[in-house]
Amino acid sequence: EDKVVQSPLSLVVHEGDTVTLNCSYEVTNFRSLLWYKQEKKAPTFLFMLTSSGIEKKSGRLSSILDKKELSSILNITATQTGDSAIYLCAVEAFRAGNNRKLIWGLGTSLAVNP
Amino acid sequence: GAVVSQHPSRVICKSGTSVKIECRSLDFQATTMFWYRQFPKQSLMLMATSNEGSKATYEQGVEKDKFLINHASLTLSTLTVTSAHPEDSSFYICSARQAPGEQYFGPGTRLTVT
Repeated sequence: EDKVVQSPLSLVVHEGDTVTLNCSYEVTNFRSLLWYKQEKKAPTFLFMLTSSGIEKKSGRLSSILDKKELSSILNITATQTGDSAIYLCAVEAFRAGNNRKLIWGLGTSLAVNP
Repeated sequence: GAVVSQHPSRVICKSGTSVKIECRSLDFQATTMFWYRQFPKQSLMLMATSNEGSKATYEQGVEKDKFLINHASLTLSTLTVTSAHPEDSSFYICSARQAPGEQYFGPGTRLTVT
């Protein structure tokens, strides 16, 4: 059965800290891994990773995929209170009939205290 | 770009009535839209995949007759919760795929059934 596991489930840090969120997966016919940030409403897209070892960066956020280890990390440096959110990891897999399916992790709830 | 809207954002209805939720891709055409359900402090649960002009593909355990999905155009998909019951109260989120891998989410609809 396909599964995506995120760790830790929750994390509390102080402003300025650096955090690393983990996502591991066991998915058949892997296509891509995606990171999303969810605050009070629907998730917003952060990164899509398809190739192993290539870091993607956006401001203080960065992410990298390790296909050998079947995992990805999301780093946030110099955290701010506005980074407080649930970070969701999802893996897209190919399915029969040229379909694709997203398998979601449970998310990591990050709280950044001032 | 890649904006997805949902309407209504919040709805309260009485048990036994039906509720329709609209999902629109505002600045792109989406051949595929997805409907999710999210319970408090839980991850997204995919309900169905909606392809324009064809029947939706429902995930296991999701009642097709209860959650009617219509994807009549490349920019609009609707989810109708028929004969709603209090246990259907939840946060319903749609997403649309602009390009392979990337999904953009609507802001979600909070349904409360009394």
